[in-house]
Amino acid sequence: DQQVKQNSPSLSVQEGRISILNCDYTNSMFDYFLWYKKYPAEGPTFLISISSIKDKNEDGRFTVFLNKSAKHLSLHIVPSQPGDSAVYFCAASSALSGNTPLVFGKGTRLSVIA
Amino acid sequence: DTGVSQDPRHKITKRGQNVTFRCDPISEHNRLYWYRQTLGQGPEFLTYFQNEAQLEKSRLLSDRFSAERPKGSFSTLEIQRTEQGDSAMYLCASSFPPAGGGYEQYFGPGTRLTVT
Repeated sequence: DQQVKQNSPSLSVQEGRISILNCDYTNSMFDYFLWYKKYPAEGPTFLISISSIKDKNEDGRFTVFLNKSAKHLSLHIVPSQPGDSAVYFCAASSALSGNTPLVFGKGTRLSVIA
Repeated sequence: DTGVSQDPRHKITKRGQNVTFRCDPISEHNRLYWYRQTLGQGPEFLTYFQNEAQLEKSRLLSDRFSAERPKGSFSTLEIQRTEQGDSAMYLCASSFPPAGGGYEQYFGPGTRLTVT
């Protein structure tokens, strides 16, 4: 049973436009959410996080939105750059409740076309 | 800050052999996690330590797997009697939960295991 779902395996976006990556979760105990970026043959790189007490967190070109009632979060990248091409993983935990292991989605491969 | 390091980066072994991987976390991080990633999947949690104490083990962690973190510094993950299904990327991550929030985990480059 997948507790974190990324329903789009891939996404193509033109350079300079907005990339929107989506993630849904089923476990209502999750209270901390993260996005990671992964290049081939490397470990995941942390991008941005959000706790359940917020509905938006912004860091430079990256913004994460959380809709708790819909159990949905999204990552917006504006403007998209060719170097953003990678696999993006959504992850969740119950960290605020003391349970910190992460549960990951299967990832979305983003291709930014110049 | 040198980040999380893992050794070896690649390991090819024959079925039935034992293998051991090492992870060195970021120096001030007191929590250390092991995950496993197979093709087309996200990382899956295996086990984690706070200092030297192993706090949780996933049901994915069969009795052929054992992890240690002596003295709360580096950690080792051993797989005994390897099987072809153990072929995967083994990822280590570390974190230091701050009082003000922020539970990010920082990952190493991984050890790719191939069991032939």
